[in-house]
Amino acid sequence: KNEVEQSPQNLTAQEGEFITINCSYSVGISALHWLQQHPGGGIVSLFMLSSGKKKHGRLIATINIQEKHSSLHITASHPRDSAVYICAVRSGGAQKLVFGQGTRLTINP
Amino acid sequence: EAGVVQSPRYKIIEKKQPVAFWCNPISGHNTLYWYRQNLGQGPELLIRYENEEAVDDSQLPKDRFSAERLKGVDSTLKIQPAELGDSAVYLCASSLAPGQETQYFGPGTRLLVL
Repeated sequence: KNEVEQSPQNLTAQEGEFITINCSYSVGISALHWLQQHPGGGIVSLFMLSSGKKKHGRLIATINIQEKHSSLHITASHPRDSAVYICAVRSGGAQKLVFGQGTRLTINP
Repeated sequence: EAGVVQSPRYKIIEKKQPVAFWCNPISGHNTLYWYRQNLGQGPELLIRYENEEAVDDSQLPKDRFSAERLKGVDSTLKIQPAELGDSAVYLCASSLAPGQETQYFGPGTRLLVL
């Protein structure tokens, strides 16, 4: 079992829909990152969380430390949101990130 | 300010040939990471540098992979000889420090070994 599991692996939705991507992890963490990767492009950091909730534009990220679970939400989704969204955790005292396998999101117009 | 720069963006080579990737991190970032990302998977750390010192290379296949960051700024990752299974995207990232800082990723080098 991977230390970081994302669901769903693939998600297709219509423009305007509310999107939720989930991340569960099995280790104690000091930080959790949500990243966005466009086809053929590099990776962009969206959020870094250690507790609670963060919001940036139409993106919202939440984390529940007790349940070892985080969610990334996209409100009023748009085709340009189509990308792979990756969850990554920094465990305890380690200095490296462990990545989930990613969730491929496709938003159709 | 420029982000993390990588070159080349794409490389196609035949197996058993050598290949090298170059990364220039964001100015002032002491920590540099090399990752490998296989299709449909998340990145996997190959090596992490603090300035010029490799502080975590436990995942680097040392029989064929090598990396250097001689002056603590830009870095080179080399594969010699390349194998078919090395086909992947090689990502470089940098951060100010190894703690809670956000990592900034380069565009990656997409390697195809034939």
